[in-house]
Amino acid sequence: QVQLVESGGGVVQPGTSLGLSCAASGFIFSTYGIHWVRQAPGKGLEWVAVISYDGSDKYYADSVSGRLTISRDNSKNTVYLQMNSLRVEDTAVYYCAKDQGHCSGGSCHAYDYWGQGILVTVSS
Amino acid sequence: QSVLTQPPSLSAAPGQKVTISCSETSSNIENNYVSWYQHLPGTAPKLLIYENHIRPSGIPDRFSGSKFGTSATLGITGLQTGDEADYYCGTWDSSLSAWVFGGGTKLTVL
Repeated sequence: QVQLVESGGGVVQPGTSLGLSCAASGFIFSTYGIHWVRQAPGKGLEWVAVISYDGSDKYYADSVSGRLTISRDNSKNTVYLQMNSLRVEDTAVYYCAKDQGHCSGGSCHAYDYWGQGILVTVSS
Repeated sequence: QSVLTQPPSLSAAPGQKVTISCSETSSNIENNYVSWYQHLPGTAPKLLIYENHIRPSGIPDRFSGSKFGTSATLGITGLQTGDEADYYCGTWDSSLSAWVFGGGTKLTVL
């Protein structure tokens, strides 16, 4: 069955960096776009970034553009989220989610599978 | 920027029907597919509806979706206590190349 497992979360200080990973299994990883979505404490879901099936297209929310970088390694069935210059407002549970399509050419579809999420806390 | 508006909360009794609206002021719902997600605290969100009205395998037909113009609706019939959750609509904003979620609706089944 489809599984998405996030790792790499933790507690960090403002201004520092952290890297998240999302390990996928149970589907042909190299043919689907993958998103990162987060939920801050007491808030709703917020889309963070998406990478197309082959890594050629990447899109970011305005709130993270220039600080967070999404990437993927199709040989390892893994998507990464490198987070730099972290802010207190980046504190959230981060989910990776599989798109139903390629997410290429600036078009994504819907999230059909999600990971369980990983907590990132940015605090001094 | 596209903004999807949902009612913050709704409540209904077991066995009743509820509808959750998702509307926007721009034309992105009109021009793109809407999907709906159920999120119970501490768990992974679940896809309920995609392409405006299609249920994934395993989602009971108590859940339905529709879209008219710039508004989409999630319907839930025969409410059960297990339906208590947060519900989100979402769509791809093709003009911004960004995904947009509604603010979420907390459903309470009394």
